[in-house]
Amino acid sequence: QVQLLESGGGVVQPGKSLTLSCAASGFPFSNYAIHWVRQAPGKGLEWVAVISSLGNNRYFPDSVRGRFSISRDNSKNTVYLQANSLRPDDTAVYYCAREAGGGYYFDHWGQGTLVTVSS
Amino acid sequence: ETVMTQSPVTLSVSPGERATLSCRASQSVRSNVAWYQQKPGQAPRLLIYDASTRATDIPARFSGSGSGTEFALTISSLQSEDFAVYYCQQYIDWPPWTFGQGTKVEIK
Repeated sequence: QVQLLESGGGVVQPGKSLTLSCAASGFPFSNYAIHWVRQAPGKGLEWVAVISSLGNNRYFPDSVRGRFSISRDNSKNTVYLQANSLRPDDTAVYYCAREAGGGYYFDHWGQGTLVTVSS
Repeated sequence: ETVMTQSPVTLSVSPGERATLSCRASQSVRSNVAWYQQKPGQAPRLLIYDASTRATDIPARFSGSGSGTEFALTISSLQSEDFAVYYCQQYIDWPPWTFGQGTKVEIK
């Protein structure tokens, strides 16, 4: 079955960096785009990044563009989110999600990893 | 950017009753709307895509409707496991992919 497993969260000081990983299994990983979506405590869902199936296209919202980067290693079935210059308002649970093969919605989600930005 | 606005913020419903959740897009998104369910401490789960197509293993009591700018998610007879937060999302005007702020369905 499709599984997505995030890791790498933790407590980090403002201005520092963190790398999150999303390890996938149960499907042909290199055929699918992967997204990151975050959720601040008690808040709604915010899309954070996407990387295309072959890694040649990447998009970010204004809130993280220039600070976050995304990459993937299809040989390891893993996507990475590099978060730099972290701010307290980046505190959230970060989910990775698979983009559906037939549309641009998200058909499978990981369980999330918590990032806390605090001094 | 397409803004998605959900209403109401909270919906109080008794078990067995019908619930209708609304979602409005700031511009036409045709039928490119998905609905997700999120329970406390869990990841979101896809319920509906293309405005009205149920995802795999989603019970028939969940139905979606609408096109253009007005959408609805209906739960025909609420079960105890349906009390959760529901989000709509548009996926035609990207980036960014945008979500509504969520509707919490609580027990009346």
